[in-house]
Amino acid sequence: LAKTTQPISMDSYEGQEVNITCSHNNIATNDYITWYQQFPSQGPRFIIQGYKTKVTNEVASLFIPADRKSSTLSLPRVSLSDTAVYYCLVGAQGPLFSGGYNKLIFGAGTRLAVHP
Amino acid sequence: EPEVTQTPSHQVTQMGQEVILRCVPISNHLYFYWYRQILGQKVEFLVSFYNNEISEKSEIFDDQFSVERPDGSNFTLKIRSTKLEDSAMYFCASSDDSQGTQYFGPGTRLLVL
Repeated sequence: LAKTTQPISMDSYEGQEVNITCSHNNIATNDYITWYQQFPSQGPRFIIQGYKTKVTNEVASLFIPADRKSSTLSLPRVSLSDTAVYYCLVGAQGPLFSGGYNKLIFGAGTRLAVHP
Repeated sequence: EPEVTQTPSHQVTQMGQEVILRCVPISNHLYFYWYRQILGQKVEFLVSFYNNEISEKSEIFDDQFSVERPDGSNFTLKIRSTKLEDSAMYFCASSDDSQGTQYFGPGTRLLVL
């Protein structure tokens, strides 16, 4: 499983766009990039997943450059309720991978604090 | 939207006692997982379960731990003889595919005294 590196913490203000970058230099060909969000005392929640280029859903966008050695989670116009820990996970998860079972390996994540 | 549920939300037990943590995965999911998170630490994988057997387990998942799907809806984690260091949040997750997105429950906070 590819090792990931992301900032330990970030601060932002309501209404701003937040970009959290994750480095994964050893990403393998069949690895997907997945982001989870965790609020205090709750279970992780899936946000977005991508393989290359850009993925967007109602919550966030995920930008993946051509070399796939990093990815950026973009949260548009954050609010106080976006204060959480954000995890970048890289592994063989997704439609390109067949066989095996998928345990998620969480790092320390990025602790995002949104201020009024 | 379907969700994973877990009971109890909190459990306090004495060291050496057995505890059973319960989970109801999303109804059409076939792959089930337990994770734990010690306070202030990372979320750690414990075990994955499919087709009524363990698919993979971590080093944490020793002989004191067991999992079971006793009926068509519940998925349980049993700790036979709890230790102080078992105090943590325990999360159940499920997915509809071995490579599919895992959906987590709200967790059970276990405190071993």
